[in-house]
Amino acid sequence: DAGVIQSPRHEVTEMGQEVTLRCKPISGHNSLFWYRQTMMRGLELLIYFNNNVPIDDSGMPEDRFSAKMPNASFSTLKIQPSEPRDSAVYFCASRREGAKNIQYFGAGTRLSVL
Amino acid sequence: SQKIEQNSEALNIQEGKTATLTCNYTNYSPAYLQWYRQDPGRGPVFLLLIRENEKEKRKERLKVTFDTTLKQSLFHITASQPADSATYLCAPSYNTDKLIFGTGTRLQVFP
Repeated sequence: DAGVIQSPRHEVTEMGQEVTLRCKPISGHNSLFWYRQTMMRGLELLIYFNNNVPIDDSGMPEDRFSAKMPNASFSTLKIQPSEPRDSAVYFCASRREGAKNIQYFGAGTRLSVL
Repeated sequence: SQKIEQNSEALNIQEGKTATLTCNYTNYSPAYLQWYRQDPGRGPVFLLLIRENEKEKRKERLKVTFDTTLKQSLFHITASQPADSATYLCAPSYNTDKLIFGTGTRLQVFP
């Protein structure tokens, strides 16, 4: 199994540009989570999906952030327009149903907004 | 809201010693608590899970305890090795789909 796959690994963009982060969960996992990690705030949950349906997006910082999961094997997190304070590492994680919420993380996308 | 506290200062220990990391939470006890390891440039990796009604859980050189009276979990690595150097995150779960991660404690094991 390839694990959770995220792309790109690194993204450098200018303020105001649109950024799209991608995630492929582990096959057979039915829940997907997007997190953001910074030194100051640690690992924060942004949004999660069960069976491709968004369940809780209360962690999404503002309307500039949006996430979609069009099918069981793909999700995107979009920031439009991006701002320097969005600079962070963004992780995607997936979980199999009934697995006591044990989550499997991707390697993350390091985003730098200049 | 729930607050999870882990030592923000790095823990430096000598190889062969036992490392003990602390995770404190506020308010009500989680149904279970997980510990993850994170290496630089990588995502967290699950290590151990302990339930509210369990006092202790072991896996090879790892041991986790859960004290609901103290509202605390301790994570021990016995016979520590330089390869154990990483950041360790605790993550309580309160009967929801969500985990709340602490900010992590960085462990450095030196030869």
